[in-house]
Amino acid sequence: QSVLTQPPSVSGTPGQRVTISCTGSSSNIGSGYDVHWYQQLPGTAPKLLIYGNTIRPSGVPDRFSGSKSGTSASLAIAGLQAEDEADYYCQSYDSSLSGFVLFGGGTKLTVL
Amino acid sequence: QVQLQESGPGLVKPSQTLSLTCTVSGGSINSGRYYWGWIRQHPGKGLEWIGYIYYSGNTYYNPSLKSRVAISVDTSKNQFSLKLSSVTAADTAIYYCARRRTSAEEFDPWGQGTLVTVSS
Repeated sequence: QSVLTQPPSVSGTPGQRVTISCTGSSSNIGSGYDVHWYQQLPGTAPKLLIYGNTIRPSGVPDRFSGSKSGTSASLAIAGLQAEDEADYYCQSYDSSLSGFVLFGGGTKLTVL
Repeated sequence: QVQLQESGPGLVKPSQTLSLTCTVSGGSINSGRYYWGWIRQHPGKGLEWIGYIYYSGNTYYNPSLKSRVAISVDTSKNQFSLKLSSVTAADTAIYYCARRRTSAEEFDPWGQGTLVTVSS
């Protein structure tokens, strides 16, 4: 079980807005460490989607946005498209485990 | 732009040592701006950080794997490597190499990944 908790699955219809949560604790997200998000399309390597809580790398559509508050973070996807169907992972850092890089358990997004 | 490519045996016997290499192209592994890391993904499961290395040789490992992991760097070949000893079936996974900035924690880019199966 991951220290960063994500819902196992979310779904939405084309055009809809969906959000994926990532819940941590006072030793990771709550300590001020940044949250990063990755998109993993079927059969491919993870791709950086959001870094530093809210920053989109070049080439990532502005339909994707990130936010962070307290011990949690969220990824929002607006104007859902069929090609957004993928697994999404959050990542942060934990000060209680000697420099431990943490990943969330992942969320499967299904576009209905 | 920088690209990373994993290579190594796809099948390892139980109790042996898993060895993988990541070749970096389009950039120098000597850059002091990055760490070079390994992450794995068990079949159908989530991501697990293994560790990373700085070009100088400083290493940082996942505490849960630390006793079995060694990451090394060969700057002359622009490569870094992973060794995982005493493997069991639980080490069967896709192994990715990835780059991490020293000033932040995100990994970008990633290699395409290589599946390593532990089986006799």
